[in-house]
Amino acid sequence: EPEVTQTPSHQVTQMGQEVILRCVPISNHLYFYWYRQILGQKVEFLVSFYNNEISEKSEIFDDQFSVERPDGSNFTLKIRSTKLEDSAMYFCASRDDLTGELFFGEGSRLTVL
Amino acid sequence: SQKIEQNSEALNIQEGKTATLTCNYTNYSPAYLQWYRQDPGRGPVFLLLIRENEKEKRKERLKVTFDTTLKQSLFHITASQPADSATYLCAPLMNRDDKIIFGKGTRLHILP
Repeated sequence: EPEVTQTPSHQVTQMGQEVILRCVPISNHLYFYWYRQILGQKVEFLVSFYNNEISEKSEIFDDQFSVERPDGSNFTLKIRSTKLEDSAMYFCASRDDLTGELFFGEGSRLTVL
Repeated sequence: SQKIEQNSEALNIQEGKTATLTCNYTNYSPAYLQWYRQDPGRGPVFLLLIRENEKEKRKERLKVTFDTTLKQSLFHITASQPADSATYLCAPLMNRDDKIIFGKGTRLHILP
């Protein structure tokens, strides 16, 4: 069964460092998403991406964040200068256009020290 | 602003009984509503989608209703099992291409 894969599964970084989280969406999907979940809190929408550009973004997705699809398979989330409050689980998802269903990856846990 | 409310932080149900979870929304009129399941430390997993013109949708032991007048969806798990213990998230959508915004979720515990 096709699945969304994310790397790394866990990253520890120092405050102020740049972090890149990687995702490989399901190959025939066209819409891609990043979500964030701080421990014990809700799953929060960050950004959606379609046709090689951002289609929507939330207030959380400020200038410190960027997304890119550098090749035909990878979809990345970059945090330029991490803050303590960026510590969270980051989920990538891609959408089946027929059903509208989101398929999520297993997540990348980011810990900022 | 648009708001999604799910009925409680945690719900304890005896094994074999029906669990009913509530999703209320305000300040918008979604055409679709999705339900997801999330296990601790894992990504959400899609369960069901219901359209505004469908009153009810079933899948195995799951049943979802969508009442656009009450602005509410109910999610039922019949003959509940301990393996059904998880957090259940609802996500109303204005249209099929809308970004998916989740409610806080309801943590369900099925007690053996």
